[in-house]
Amino acid sequence: AQSVAQPEDQVNVAEGNPLTVKCTYSVSGNPYLFWYVQYPNRGLQFLLKYITGDNLVKGSYGFEAEFNKSQTSFHLKKPSALVSDSALYFCAVRDKAGNTGKLIFGQGTTLQVKP
Amino acid sequence: SQTIHQWPATLVQPVGSPLSLECTVEGTSNPNLYWYRQAAGRGLQLLFYSVGIGQISSEVPQNLSASRPQDRQFILSSKKLLLSDSGFYLCAWTAIRTGGLEAFFGQGTRLTVV
Repeated sequence: AQSVAQPEDQVNVAEGNPLTVKCTYSVSGNPYLFWYVQYPNRGLQFLLKYITGDNLVKGSYGFEAEFNKSQTSFHLKKPSALVSDSALYFCAVRDKAGNTGKLIFGQGTTLQVKP
Repeated sequence: SQTIHQWPATLVQPVGSPLSLECTVEGTSNPNLYWYRQAAGRGLQLLFYSVGIGQISSEVPQNLSASRPQDRQFILSSKKLLLSDSGFYLCAWTAIRTGGLEAFFGQGTRLTVV
């Protein structure tokens, strides 16, 4: 069965420091991977995706993610965190069965950036 | 550009009352449409998806139903709400027929059943 794991419920970083939000996946074949961000009481906003090609994917708001096939990981990174980056982050993998576009989400990681 | 509208933003309903949440998409045709529920502010669970008008697939057995009366309209309903139906409901779409892979989400509806 396909699945996504975000091992950290919360990540705390100081403003200006680099941040990493971890994600690992379990998918047969080549995965389609996504990161979304959710601000309080709002919908999810798409940040970036990995489909094929370069392992380092750049997305919105200065975020990037690194696809590592051998470690089955897709960690979200940012070189310098902002207080406004504080939010709930979801990693997701696309369910490849049936070409329905369904997403399988991790449980989410709360990022807290302190001034 | 494409936009997705979801309403109402918040809703407080008594147990046993009916429910109707609406989602519409603009700027695209033949989208795949989805209803997700987020409980306790964390994980997202897919409830229903639709690949076309009148075509609904249910992912989990529950007290809710979905309908797609028009290409860009997706409705989540219940005849009698339960306390356990409380949560944050999110509508989403993908342009899967034109190769779009990412999903785009509405702003969500916070449902509280009392």
